[in-house]
Amino acid sequence: DAMVIQNPRYQVTQFGKPVTLSCSQTLNHNVMYWYQQKSSQAPKLLFHYYDKDFNNEADTPDNFQSRRPNTSFCFLDIRSPGLGDAAMYLCATSRDIWRGGRETQYFGPGTRLLVL
Amino acid sequence: AQSVAQPEDQVNVAEGNPLTVKCTYSVSGNPYLFWYVQYPNRGLQFLLKYITGDNLVKGSYGFEAEFNKSQTSFHLKKPSALVSDSALYFCAVRDPRVDTGFQKLVFGTGTRLLVSP
Repeated sequence: DAMVIQNPRYQVTQFGKPVTLSCSQTLNHNVMYWYQQKSSQAPKLLFHYYDKDFNNEADTPDNFQSRRPNTSFCFLDIRSPGLGDAAMYLCATSRDIWRGGRETQYFGPGTRLLVL
Repeated sequence: AQSVAQPEDQVNVAEGNPLTVKCTYSVSGNPYLFWYVQYPNRGLQFLLKYITGDNLVKGSYGFEAEFNKSQTSFHLKKPSALVSDSALYFCAVRDPRVDTGFQKLVFGTGTRLLVSP
């Protein structure tokens, strides 16, 4: 089945130690998103890739970076995690509306990050 | 600016009874509206959406939602609740800007549904 996959499901890191979360998709969608979700709050969009074009939300801290080496994969890099970065990180994909996208974002299962 | 309100933090319903989870929206253009469900330690699962057409939208797992333009609402409903429906439900609206190819979703704060046996 086509899907969005996130690894690992749980990640423990130390304060200030860089960490990378990964997302892959078999949907062949050209748009990929990273969200941060804390304590059952609404997901907060960090950034998205439209094809290879990176688009940062205005309030996303510089501590968060992303890479998309190809259509299928996208990585979230947290350069110096702080205690406040402990959260669930959700990856999502969609097909853009100009290519007949049906307006639905599909989410992966998420990676829960714990910062010690 | 677009926004979504979910006025209830939690909804309690007995199994077998109908359920309603409320959502109201505010957008400047035609709304694209979505419902997602999230089970503990899981990602968001798409339930249903309204883009255009019939005001009553049917989705996964027996859920449906009614788009009401005059009341700017998009309430989620199910005729007979199951204990397994207990989860966190998010309503979302798409940013109606049309000059971007991606869709920016604005989420509500979520409503926790608890279905008791």
